[in-house]
Amino acid sequence: GDSVTQMEGPVTLSEEAFLTINCTYTATGYPSLFWYVQYPGEGLQLLLKATKADDKGSNKGFEATYRKETTSFHLEKGSVQVSDSAVYFCALSDQGAQKLVFGQGTRLTINP
Amino acid sequence: DAGVIQSPRHEVTEMGQEVTLRCKPISGHDYLFWYRQTMMRGLELLIYFNNNVPIDDSGMPEDRFSAKMPNASFSTLKIQPSEPRDSAVYFCASSPGLAGGRSQSDTQYFGPGTRLTVL
Repeated sequence: GDSVTQMEGPVTLSEEAFLTINCTYTATGYPSLFWYVQYPGEGLQLLLKATKADDKGSNKGFEATYRKETTSFHLEKGSVQVSDSAVYFCALSDQGAQKLVFGQGTRLTINP
Repeated sequence: DAGVIQSPRHEVTEMGQEVTLRCKPISGHDYLFWYRQTMMRGLELLIYFNNNVPIDDSGMPEDRFSAKMPNASFSTLKIQPSEPRDSAVYFCASSPGLAGGRSQSDTQYFGPGTRLTVL
């Protein structure tokens, strides 16, 4: 079945550092790929998405590129801020489906 | 739009009691999802509805859990009787489906969650 694997956390960085959170997936069709973010005490929020190969999703300085050849959707940000501290979830929805398959989440802490 | 609304935000109950969690999805969304989040098991999909009809309840843990969607603007998740291992944060989410256009059809919007503690 479909699955998503994220790099294990927690990840701790200093402010202004470069961020990469790895995400790889397994799917039978042509999935849409998502990054969701969960701030403390809140629900998940969509951060960015990409619907086909080579698409780049971007939002709030975060970027991720849909790489079909490596089945990956790594999340990157050039300069992180303390306010980026949260749990990040990679997810996919297979073509025609409404269900999301989530990775296990990566907790990110940014120190000033 | 107010977003997905869940109530209560916090619930503390004793083992054996009935618990009802409530959700109001975003108006016009055709899909509604119930999730459970714990430290041990992460985020789990319990059940989802399309146009008020349950489509997949394979994630419902056992018969103590039931979910209903009597109309397009309201859903409940009931646990009867509750047990300490049911303690978790329960999220409701909705998505527009094809009514939202192809690019948005599968994007899910989450509510703030209900934190349930069963003593």
